[in-house]
Amino acid sequence: DIQMTQSPSSLSASVGDRVTITCRASQGISNSLAWFQQKPGKAPKSLIYAASSLQSGVPSKFSGSGSGTDFTLTISSLQPEDFATYYCQQYNSYPQSFGQGTKLEIK
Amino acid sequence: EVQLVQSGAEVKKPGESLKISCKGSGYSFTNYWIGWVRQMPGKGLEWMGIIYPGDSDTRYSPSFQGQVTISADKSISTAYLQWSSLKASDTAMYYCARQCEGCSFDYWGQGTLVTVSS
Repeated sequence: DIQMTQSPSSLSASVGDRVTITCRASQGISNSLAWFQQKPGKAPKSLIYAASSLQSGVPSKFSGSGSGTDFTLTISSLQPEDFATYYCQQYNSYPQSFGQGTKLEIK
Repeated sequence: EVQLVQSGAEVKKPGESLKISCKGSGYSFTNYWIGWVRQMPGKGLEWMGIIYPGDSDTRYSPSFQGQVTISADKSISTAYLQWSSLKASDTAMYYCARQCEGCSFDYWGQGTLVTVSS
């Protein structure tokens, strides 16, 4: 099974900052990597698929990159609504798997 | 408009059975996979398994194989997650989500909260 490891587990930032979250797969997954945003008490929201493609309606302040085993999610010009928990997920092979999450908090 | 609407919250006792549902609308239900994701209180997302309603092809995470059953009724565009004997440790929020072949989850249900307590 493929293990997904995110870093950091938590992150404090200020409004207007740019932040980067990293996701590492235990083996190569090509570009079969997605990112999700979850706010407290809400269902996850799909942000990025195929490592770098934005889901419809997602603002361009979100960007993803990477291939193989190492991936990043970058959020530019943080706004209050961006403070949430972010998860990566590999869908290259079964069982699919999520990272443990990165909680982005306001400094 | 694509929608996944899940059944309502459940409160059950240990040992009871349960079947929760996820109804898809606004798209061809048989052409997309439906996955199930568990989120225990205060914890992260866990991939449980997935079904292709077109032919009922089903895959499970080893962590959930034998613990739950995933099924679908394509005639009513509904996928199911069921337990034959609930445990207190099954207390969690359960989400369904849509996935195309070779793609990631794109649309999610609103979640079903399952509480198991004596």
